[in-house]
Amino acid sequence: DGGITQSPKYLFRKEGQNVTLSCEQNLNHDAMYWYRQDPGQGLRLIYYSQIVNDFQKGDIAEGYSVSREKKESFPLTVTSAQKNPTAFYLCASSIERTYQPQHFGDGTRLSIL
Amino acid sequence: RKEVEQDPGPFNVPEGATVAFNCTYSNSASQSFFWYRQDCRKEPKLLMSVYSSGNEDGRFTAQLNRASQYISLLIRDSKLSDSATYLCVVNTNAGKSTFGDGTTLTVKP
Repeated sequence: DGGITQSPKYLFRKEGQNVTLSCEQNLNHDAMYWYRQDPGQGLRLIYYSQIVNDFQKGDIAEGYSVSREKKESFPLTVTSAQKNPTAFYLCASSIERTYQPQHFGDGTRLSIL
Repeated sequence: RKEVEQDPGPFNVPEGATVAFNCTYSNSASQSFFWYRQDCRKEPKLLMSVYSSGNEDGRFTAQLNRASQYISLLIRDSKLSDSATYLCVVNTNAGKSTFGDGTTLTVKP
C-alpha cells in the first residue's frame, strides 16, 4: 500500500533536548513538506523540499532543521532552540508543488516533559 | 489580512440539511484549489480538487469564482459522518500552498 508513514505517533521532549520526527513516503513524490498545527489552529509550513539534497524554509522554520538525503525520507529535527514545541506535526508529499494536492501522514504529537 | 480566509463557524446543521462553505483568497497568482477534511486529532484528507468549471462528487459540489477570488463547497443531504473541519487550500503558480484555518461542521440527528 502506498502512503506516508510518520513515526512515532507520540513523542515527549525534555528541556534542552533535540528530537527527530521521521517521515517516509513510498509514493515516488518529489515534493515533501512539514507542517505544525496548534490546537484549534490551521497548518503552518515549517520546511519543504522539492528534490533530494534541497530544501527551503517555510513560515516558521526557526528552531527546526531538516534533511533530504533520499527521495523517500524527510526527517524533521526539533531543536532545543524551539521554545514552544508542543504541537501536532504533519508531514505531507505531492507529485509537484503547483497543480497537485498534498497527501498527509497521520502525524506526530510532540509534548514537553 | 490572511491570504486565505474561511468562516470558522461552527456550522451546526440537522441531518439532511444542505450547507455551504466559502473560502476567499487574495493572491491573484493562485492556480489550483482543493478542499480537505480533517477529523478531530487526525490528519487532513483530500476531499476534492476544485476545477474552473465546477465539479461534483456525490453529495459534494465544489465551485471556483476566479473573478471574485473565492471557492465554495456545498454539501447536500448532510450525514452525521460529515461532521469535521473543512480546510481550503490554494496553490500559487510559484508552488506555494496556503491553508485556510478551517470551518467546523457539526451535523446533528
